[in-house]
Amino acid sequence: SQKIEQNSEALNIQEGKTATLTCNYTNYSPAYLQWYRQDPGRGPVFLLLIRENEKEKRKERLKVTFDTTLKQSLFHITASQPADSATYLCALESGTGRRALTFGSGTRLQVQP
Amino acid sequence: EPEVTQTPSHQVTQMGQEVILRCVPISNHLYFYWYRQILGQKVEFLVSFYNNEISEKSEIFDDQFSVERPDGSNFTLKIRSTKLEDSAMYFCASSRLSGGATDTQYFGPGTRLTVL
Repeated sequence: SQKIEQNSEALNIQEGKTATLTCNYTNYSPAYLQWYRQDPGRGPVFLLLIRENEKEKRKERLKVTFDTTLKQSLFHITASQPADSATYLCALESGTGRRALTFGSGTRLQVQP
Repeated sequence: EPEVTQTPSHQVTQMGQEVILRCVPISNHLYFYWYRQILGQKVEFLVSFYNNEISEKSEIFDDQFSVERPDGSNFTLKIRSTKLEDSAMYFCASSRLSGGATDTQYFGPGTRLTVL
């Protein structure tokens, strides 16, 4: 069955630095991959979607890359701020014609002022 | 900006009781979903619903669970006889497009279900 791994359970960085989060997957070739932000006790908030034929996507200070050969996505937050502190989830659609999302366990980012 | 809403925010129930969790998806969305997240664990898919019927369900979604769209705006998840292990955050989500890679799921704030 498909497996998603977010390599770091937690990441601590200084304000102003770039945070880089990793999502790896196996046993599957998803058509697209999504990144969500989740704050404690809240629902996931959609950030970015990247398709299999896209190498990179940007939105303001966020950048996502998708390497289908390595089966890996990298999520970058540039000029990080304490308000970026949250858990970031990687999610893949589960298969052709299926809409269920399979989520990674998340990386908890803490940006220190 | 339109958003998914869920009620109640917190539900406490006794084991064996029935609960109904309610969701109002975004108004022009076509697909509806329920996910759950046990404390400290991953978000897990339960079920998706389209055109008034279940389109997918996971192994978690057994005969104790059911979903319904009782009117044009609400989407409900019923758990017939709750178990201790049903304690979790339950998230409703909805998406606009009927297919394709541009479909994004928008999540509600969740209902925290506590089974005693």
